[in-house]
Amino acid sequence: DQQVKQNSPSLSVQEGRISILNCDYTNSMFDYFLWYKKYPAEGPTFLISISSIKDKNEDGRFTVFLNKSAKHLSLHIVPSQPGDSAVYFCAASEGGNQFYFGTGTSLTVIP
Amino acid sequence: NAGVTQTPKFQVLKTGQSMTLQCAQDMNHEYMSWYRQDPGMGLRLIHYSVGAGITDQGEVPNGYNVSRSTTEDFPLRLLSAAPSQTSVYFCASSLAGGPIQYFGAGTRLSVL
Repeated sequence: DQQVKQNSPSLSVQEGRISILNCDYTNSMFDYFLWYKKYPAEGPTFLISISSIKDKNEDGRFTVFLNKSAKHLSLHIVPSQPGDSAVYFCAASEGGNQFYFGTGTSLTVIP
Repeated sequence: NAGVTQTPKFQVLKTGQSMTLQCAQDMNHEYMSWYRQDPGMGLRLIHYSVGAGITDQGEVPNGYNVSRSTTEDFPLRLLSAAPSQTSVYFCASSLAGGPIQYFGAGTRLSVL
């Protein structure tokens, strides 16, 4: 049973606009959440993270929001750039040893 | 700076054959792990290790063996390959207690 879910397999956004990627989880004991970005034929690379004691973390164009009551997190990219086109995975961990990944959302930024 | 290196990049096996997927990291990371990525399933944890001599099972360990004799290396063994093990395999490493994992480029395995 999938503990981390990304219900949108794909998303298309115009260059310069905001991209919002969503992720839901079921385990209330998760204490750390991460977003990874993956290009074809490469491994995932870390993008941004947030601990469960926070509700927002920002790094440049990337912001992650955490809503613990809804068990939901989102990644905002603004402004979106063509180089942001990739597959984005959210991941969650309880205690830092086992990580559970979502199924990924393929983002296409249209020039 | 090599980071996490996986070999081979591609492999085709026949059902019942055995093979070892290699993973090495040069960052002195204590934590290493293996994932498989399947369409519609995301990345699923197979096995992980928190240090040399210590391994544990993840979500989908059946059909796979691991060992960790050194900090640098974490090989994944398929003793008798099955078509259900056709997948892309990723190795990752991180500092102990650090949640950010660094991934290799992956091994694409087909079992016929």
